[in-house]
Amino acid sequence: DAGITQSPRHKVTETGTPVTLRCHQTENHRYMYWYRQDPGHGLRLIHYSYGVKDTDKGEVSDGYSVSRSKTEDFLLTLESATSSQTSVYFCAISGGSEQFFGPGTRLTVL
Amino acid sequence: GQSLEQPSEVTAVEGAIVQINCTYQTSGFYGLSWYQQHDGGAPTFLSYNALDGLEETGRFSSFLSRSDSYGYLLLQELQMKDSASYFCAVARAGSYQLTFGKGTKLSVIP
Repeated sequence: DAGITQSPRHKVTETGTPVTLRCHQTENHRYMYWYRQDPGHGLRLIHYSYGVKDTDKGEVSDGYSVSRSKTEDFLLTLESATSSQTSVYFCAISGGSEQFFGPGTRLTVL
Repeated sequence: GQSLEQPSEVTAVEGAIVQINCTYQTSGFYGLSWYQQHDGGAPTFLSYNALDGLEETGRFSSFLSRSDSYGYLLLQELQMKDSASYFCAVARAGSYQLTFGKGTKLSVIP
């Protein structure tokens, strides 16, 4: 299995609070991604990174920011969490045509 | 924009064969991937087709017709453990992003 971990695995927070999710890889892959998964919507891309300090927006980026200061770490930040951001968040890495996914973070915003 | 269509649910009998179709509309199409996701788990890569034709990996095969903007995943000798959601995803030329379909929930019954 690809070495990719996410933390925390579960989080409950309140509306208006900042939240940061971490994705860590040991594969030295260049590309990293953050997705959210909601019933009926499949996987939707939030942001992705194509190198250290190189990031770009995905399909559903509003309300999210990312940072990548090291190859191995990709952080997703919700500056002020809203109930609509309750979801399961997956990080993925890629070195080619195949993406490897982390175990996911279940985030609940009350 | 991009869009993918796949059936939302499919039910099949253990030991049988099932085909999950995926039609797509996208500019700059490069390839079609398939991912499997069990309930509560992370998506895992199954196959990738960049050229027309059939790719076989054990009990699973994937087909692509670029001229028809169509592909399918074929699962043979169905087992109960194949009960999962299956996602098709398109890759575009010059991009390492994937756009996912909403997924097909496969239920294998005895």
